[in-house]
Amino acid sequence: KAGVTQTPRYLIKTRGQQVTLSCSPISGHRSVSWYQQTPGQGLQFLFEYFSETQRNKGNFPGRFSGRQFSNSRSEMNVSTLELGDSALYLCASSLARLGIEQFFGPGTRLTVL
Amino acid sequence: GQQVMQIPQYQHVQEGEDFTTYCNSSTTLSNIQWYKQRPGGHPVFLIQLVKSGEVKKQKRLTFQFGEAKKNSSLHITATQTTDVGTYFCAGAYSGAGSYQLTFGKGTKLSVIP
Repeated sequence: KAGVTQTPRYLIKTRGQQVTLSCSPISGHRSVSWYQQTPGQGLQFLFEYFSETQRNKGNFPGRFSGRQFSNSRSEMNVSTLELGDSALYLCASSLARLGIEQFFGPGTRLTVL
Repeated sequence: GQQVMQIPQYQHVQEGEDFTTYCNSSTTLSNIQWYKQRPGGHPVFLIQLVKSGEVKKQKRLTFQFGEAKKNSSLHITATQTTDVGTYFCAGAYSGAGSYQLTFGKGTKLSVIP
């Protein structure tokens, strides 16, 4: 079974731009969660999608948004990029809702200049 | 919001020595999960603890969940160089139909051969 895939793997943007990251979960997994990982703050939960609906949201500004499609693939969008948005963005999928084993993708490394 | 404190932040051990990392939550958890992230890699699920006082073993790894379901520990016996990485705990909180997973900041383990 293929693992979680994320595209692109690396991205360089400038302040003020927007970016869209993509995540394809493991086949059959319906829950997709997004995390931001930085050396200073560690792994921070952004949001969780299940059955195309956002079920949980972390403490991030509205510039961070996401969606999930009927095939469970998910996208995350960050608008008006700031330098502090530079991070590794990880997507994780699980069979059911949060609270059970999550399978992480390799991440997208975003650098904002 | 919910917080999970994890200590120590770093641990350097000689190969063959034991290692322990601790997680503490200010509020009762539904369950706690443990993940390992190798350098340059993504978090990989190790185990989930659900019951109060639960103890689970995986070869040289022993996981414990406190009686009050507020703290947890991971103990590695006789560390090996393959144990190198960052170990994260993730506390799951549920309430009012919502679920949240909060990661500790991790303990980075270095093993000196």
